[in-house]
Amino acid sequence: DAGVIQSPRHEVTEMGQEVTLRCKPISGHNSLFWYRQTMMRGLELLIYFNNNVPIDDSGMPEDRFSAKMPNASFSTLKIQPSEPRDSAVYFCASSAGQQYSNQPQHFGDGTRLSIL
Amino acid sequence: QKEVEQNSGPLSVPEGAIASLNCTYSDRGSQSFFWYRQYSGKSPELIMSIYSNGDKEDGRFTAQLNKASQYVSLLIRDSQPSDSATYLCAVKRGFKTIFGAGTRLFVKA
Repeated sequence: DAGVIQSPRHEVTEMGQEVTLRCKPISGHNSLFWYRQTMMRGLELLIYFNNNVPIDDSGMPEDRFSAKMPNASFSTLKIQPSEPRDSAVYFCASSAGQQYSNQPQHFGDGTRLSIL
Repeated sequence: QKEVEQNSGPLSVPEGAIASLNCTYSDRGSQSFFWYRQYSGKSPELIMSIYSNGDKEDGRFTAQLNKASQYVSLLIRDSQPSDSATYLCAVKRGFKTIFGAGTRLFVKA
């Protein structure tokens, strides 16, 4: 079975450019999560969706960050304009079940983002 | 106080020994608990789930949960060099899963 698919795997761009990260969750999973991981701050939850609806975006660091989930099989995380401190590994994860289910999250391979 | 706390390590054990990884959490309403393994440069990989008090065994791995003490642990028996990784404790309430900062484990051959 296909797991969570993220693209691109690596992204290097200059400060001020727009960055778009993409995620395809596991088929049948109805919750999707975006995380950022750095050495300093560990794994941080940015936003999560349930049934394509954003439930909690309190982890989004600034208005420069936005996320969408137009359908059950696709989500994007956009940074505009990008800054060097946004450099990190961004993970997408998905899970099945409802709010209080015991289902775990499954992670994609991540996007390693470098802002010069 | 962090919501999920782990000793960052590194924890170093000889090959064949038992590695013991510990985690505490602050939210008593948490309902599900997970251990993920993350190799350097890779994504977190689920290795154990536990939902009720007591022990749960899967191969060389045993997860232990004590909700009264808000404590979760992972034991790795017969540790192998391939077990060297960062182990993340994750605690779920509702939709949200909170991850600890992880414990780095080194298994010396």
